[in-house]
Amino acid sequence: GENVEQHPSTLSVQEGDSAVIKCTYSDSASNYFPWYKQELGKGPQLIIDIRSNVGEKKDQRIAVTLNKTAKHFSLHITETQPEDSAVYFCAASISPGSARQLTFGSGTQLTVLP
Amino acid sequence: DTEVTQTPKHLVMGMTNKKSLKCEQHMGHRAMYWYKQKAKKPPELMFVYSYEKLSINESVPSRFSPECPNSSLLNLHLHALQPEDSALYLCASSQGLISYEQYFGPGTRLTVT
Repeated sequence: GENVEQHPSTLSVQEGDSAVIKCTYSDSASNYFPWYKQELGKGPQLIIDIRSNVGEKKDQRIAVTLNKTAKHFSLHITETQPEDSAVYFCAASISPGSARQLTFGSGTQLTVLP
Repeated sequence: DTEVTQTPKHLVMGMTNKKSLKCEQHMGHRAMYWYKQKAKKPPELMFVYSYEKLSINESVPSRFSPECPNSSLLNLHLHALQPEDSALYLCASSQGLISYEQYFGPGTRLTVT
């Protein structure tokens, strides 16, 4: 089955700096890569996603890049703010025969220091 | 609106109790999911419903019993749980089984004593 590795497990940045979280996946058939942000005591929130026919996608201060050849994708957050502090999960999903299932990375605890 | 609601927010139950978790969405989504999340871990899929029928059961113990009364509602009935079942239980929904985006609710924090 699919395996997703996520690095780093913890990341601290100064407010205003950029943060980058990286994930690698094992199954070349994966074609959908969402990123979720989970704040303390809350459920995961879908913040950005990318499909395999696209190399990069941006939404204001966040962007995701995908390298299908190397089987890795990354989340980039620019001009970080304290409210960006949370756990971030990447995920990969294969085009399904029956149901699309998400395989999650292990998570990155991002702390933005004021 | 991408809102999935879950009740209760917190639940404490003994090992002999029977309780239920409830999930609701009004986005017209036809696929609904239950996940279990332990502290500092990613969500783990438990069950998937599509058009109110159970599509996937990830070998979950029978003390967890899902139910989908209609396309907007998803329940998880709990009976004779173990302390190791304490976790955050998340509900999610998507337009269909093969749709891309899944939207999660806030979760129910379950403690089994």
